[in-house]
Amino acid sequence: DAGVTQSPTHLIKTRGQQVTLRCSPKSGHDTVSWYQQALGQGPQFIFQYYEEEERQRGNFPDRFSGHQFPNYSSELNVNALLLGDSALYLCASSLVQTGTGVKQYFGPGTRLTVT
Amino acid sequence: AQKVTQAQTEISVVEKEDVTLDCVYETRDTTYYLFWYKQPPSGELVFLIRRNSFDEQNEISGRYSWNFQKSTSSFNFTITASQVVDSAVYFCALSEAWNYGQNFVFGPGTRLSVLP
Repeated sequence: DAGVTQSPTHLIKTRGQQVTLRCSPKSGHDTVSWYQQALGQGPQFIFQYYEEEERQRGNFPDRFSGHQFPNYSSELNVNALLLGDSALYLCASSLVQTGTGVKQYFGPGTRLTVT
Repeated sequence: AQKVTQAQTEISVVEKEDVTLDCVYETRDTTYYLFWYKQPPSGELVFLIRRNSFDEQNEISGRYSWNFQKSTSSFNFTITASQVVDSAVYFCALSEAWNYGQNFVFGPGTRLSVLP
């Protein structure tokens, strides 16, 4: 049973460029959440996708956008990259449930460096 | 607003010592969930425990134990007889049930180093 996978593992971009990160959820999961983890800090929630729609969004600018495909995989896009966007981007998958504390399964992350 | 505080930035212990990681949370909701995750150097967050706000019973699982106290909004995590493989960053996280518990708020993490 494959866990959450993310690609690429590492990425180096220049300020102003655009980047796309990819995530495949754990088998059987239908919800994907994205988190940004700056060095030495805890992960911060970016947004969550369910049924191909953005269901929740954290305090991130519109430069951060996403997409979920019919097979539940997801992409995170960041436009007009800033140096401050350098971070580990984590994808988490879960199975939607109401009224319960859903356990999220995390992928290994994509390390983005903006120069 | 929801918030998670982990006052201990770094802890170093010698192998076989017991160590407790502190977590204090803030939430306005009466129904919420608390989690502990471990992040080894590989970067992947590994789930350790989930506790809901209605269950204050403390639990022991192998070398891990948890102390949940609603009165002080604390959810502390103890490793007994620590091992070198326990070295990692540990995160406490909070989710609120109203939003299906899907938006995690993480604390800043505590880096644990277990020395041989």
